[in-house]
Amino acid sequence: GAVVSQHPSRVICKSGTSVKIECRSLDFQATTMFWYRQFPKQSLMLMATSNEGSKATYEQGVEKDKFLINHASLTLSTLTVTSAHPEDSSFYICSARIRGLAGGRDEQFFGPGTRLTVL
Amino acid sequence: GEDVEQSLFLSVREGDSSVINCTYTDSSSTYLYWYKQEPGAGLQLLTYIFSNMDMKQDQRLTVLLNKKDKHLSLRIADTQTGDSAIYFCAERDMGRRALTFGSGTRLQVQP
Repeated sequence: GAVVSQHPSRVICKSGTSVKIECRSLDFQATTMFWYRQFPKQSLMLMATSNEGSKATYEQGVEKDKFLINHASLTLSTLTVTSAHPEDSSFYICSARIRGLAGGRDEQFFGPGTRLTVL
Repeated sequence: GEDVEQSLFLSVREGDSSVINCTYTDSSSTYLYWYKQEPGAGLQLLTYIFSNMDMKQDQRLTVLLNKKDKHLSLRIADTQTGDSAIYFCAERDMGRRALTFGSGTRLQVQP
């Protein structure tokens, strides 16, 4: 099956620093990737939709200047948490979309997640 | 907007069947999914069902969809301790690319 990787898997940083998280589709090209955030014991909440070669689309309430998304190629999207604060501590999960599967459906494959802890 | 709800916790004994329920509000949902998340890990797609189906079976997993009541269930037969995890249902409609997730059901399997 399709594989999506994330790097790093875990990061601890000081308040005020910026953290970059990479999401890669390893064996397929993804024109669309999604970034989700999951707080402890809660569900995944969509943050933004990342489209290759264009600006990301952010969900309501997500600050685009704080969560910078760059989808530079068909296999890589990055999320940069700028000036991170303790309330940004969360589990960040990306997914990559494959289109044109059997039955006309598309499907998302999820990365393993990145746990960010801001001290 | 779309809303997906699940019960938070289910405990079963090893060997029993587990049934995890989900309700959704979006009548234009096209695909409905079940994902499994183990502690500290990402999401693993277990199965999905298209909205024009009412049942799908895949080995130990059976998905039932009642479109009229907007109710989705996942039955796991012969539940094993390795099935202990959080199970998320998710829905997507044709006009929206991203998934809307339920709150997740924590399944605990007692030996």
